[in-house]
Amino acid sequence: EIVMTQSPATLSVSPGERATLSCRASQSVSSNLAWYQQKPGQAPRLLIYGASTRATGIAARFSGSGSGTEFTLTISSLQSEDFAVYYCQQYDSWPPLTFGGGTKVEIK
Amino acid sequence: QVQLVESGGGVVQPGGSLRLSCAASGFSFSSYGMHWVRQAPGKGLEWVTFIRYEGSNKYYADSVKGRFTISRDNSKNTLFLQMNSLRAEDTAVYYCAKPYGFFLGIVANAFDIWGQGTMVTVSS
Repeated sequence: EIVMTQSPATLSVSPGERATLSCRASQSVSSNLAWYQQKPGQAPRLLIYGASTRATGIAARFSGSGSGTEFTLTISSLQSEDFAVYYCQQYDSWPPLTFGGGTKVEIK
Repeated sequence: QVQLVESGGGVVQPGGSLRLSCAASGFSFSSYGMHWVRQAPGKGLEWVTFIRYEGSNKYYADSVKGRFTISRDNSKNTLFLQMNSLRAEDTAVYYCAKPYGFFLGIVANAFDIWGQGTMVTVSS
């Protein structure tokens, strides 16, 4: 099973600042990685797939990078609606599909 | 529009059973494998199970293997999850989820459509 590790667990950022979230895989997942945003009481929303391709309707301030075992989600200028929990997920080698533990982006 | 709507959640005693449904609309349901993903209260996301588009292949997380059964009815655009021998640790919101589909030569099992979720509580 591929273990996904996200850091930090909590990120405190001021509106307008840049946020950088990390995700590490226990073995290579090539570029078969997705990022999701989840707000309280809502289902997750797909932000990025293929490590760096934005999903339909996702704002350009969200960008993904990396391959192999190290990945990054960057939010270039945080908006109020971006404060949420973010998860990475690998779909390279499964079952099982595996998610990271999440990073909570909170207002500083 | 593209939509997934789950139903069937509720409160059940340990050892009991529950059957969840997920009604799909707005896309060619019979062309996609489908997944269930769950989230325990205050916790992260856990993949539960997958069924191939025509129902021939099914995969399960170790935590539910032998207790849960995924199935589908393509004539009714509906996905099911039969949950037996339920335990307290199965308490969670259960989501059905549609994978994105083909991307760069493989089926990208990144979930572009999620249902709103249905809560399952296992408690005496």
